[in-house]
Amino acid sequence: QVQLQESGPGLVKPSGTLSLTCGVSGGSIRSSNWWSWVRQPPGKGLEWIGEIFHSGSTNYNPSLKSRVTISVDKSKNQFSLKLSSVTAADTAVYYCAREPGTANNYYFDYWGQGTLVTVSS
Amino acid sequence: EIVMTQSPATLSVSPGERATLSCRASQSVSSNLAWYQQKPGQAPRLLIYGASTRATGIPARFSGSGSGTEFTLTISSLQSEDFAIYYCQQYNKWPPWTFGQGTKVEIK
Repeated sequence: QVQLQESGPGLVKPSGTLSLTCGVSGGSIRSSNWWSWVRQPPGKGLEWIGEIFHSGSTNYNPSLKSRVTISVDKSKNQFSLKLSSVTAADTAVYYCAREPGTANNYYFDYWGQGTLVTVSS
Repeated sequence: EIVMTQSPATLSVSPGERATLSCRASQSVSSNLAWYQQKPGQAPRLLIYGASTRATGIPARFSGSGSGTEFTLTISSLQSEDFAIYYCQQYNKWPPWTFGQGTKVEIK
């Protein structure tokens, strides 16, 4: 059973950089899956941020592309999110999630429990 | 970007009744459509993928249908644990993968 666990600071100052890591257990990040970040502002819907393959290939949401970097650390079986120049609008619960990735299956079958990141001075 | 529109925003249903949720795509997504259930304080849970295939462990009372731009999630007989917010998501064309705004199923 694959499990994902987000970690990182829960408070980030405006104009700073949000940094989160997602640890993967029960499976290998080197598998055929893509690995995504999804966020949810308080009381609102879900927004896909971007995804990464173990090779390092990435795809980003165009609305966030200029501020987002997703990277992978195969030795630690984890992947990470950096979001720069944050504002209060970036306050959200951030989830990491897995996509099956094969045969055009780019839905999210496993999710982390989510971590709330608040942008405030 | 493909825009996903869900209706209604809120659905009031009595336990044991049938619930029908709709999701419309701004352009065809073929059958590349998933449904998720989210309860307060929890991560979304995958219910349906491929528009109509139940994910592992999902009860048979949940069913999905549709293709192209019109999709439906049906819960045949609502149980107390089914009161939640439901989201659809298209994965036919990126970037980005996009979600609907959600339908809240509440107790009538």
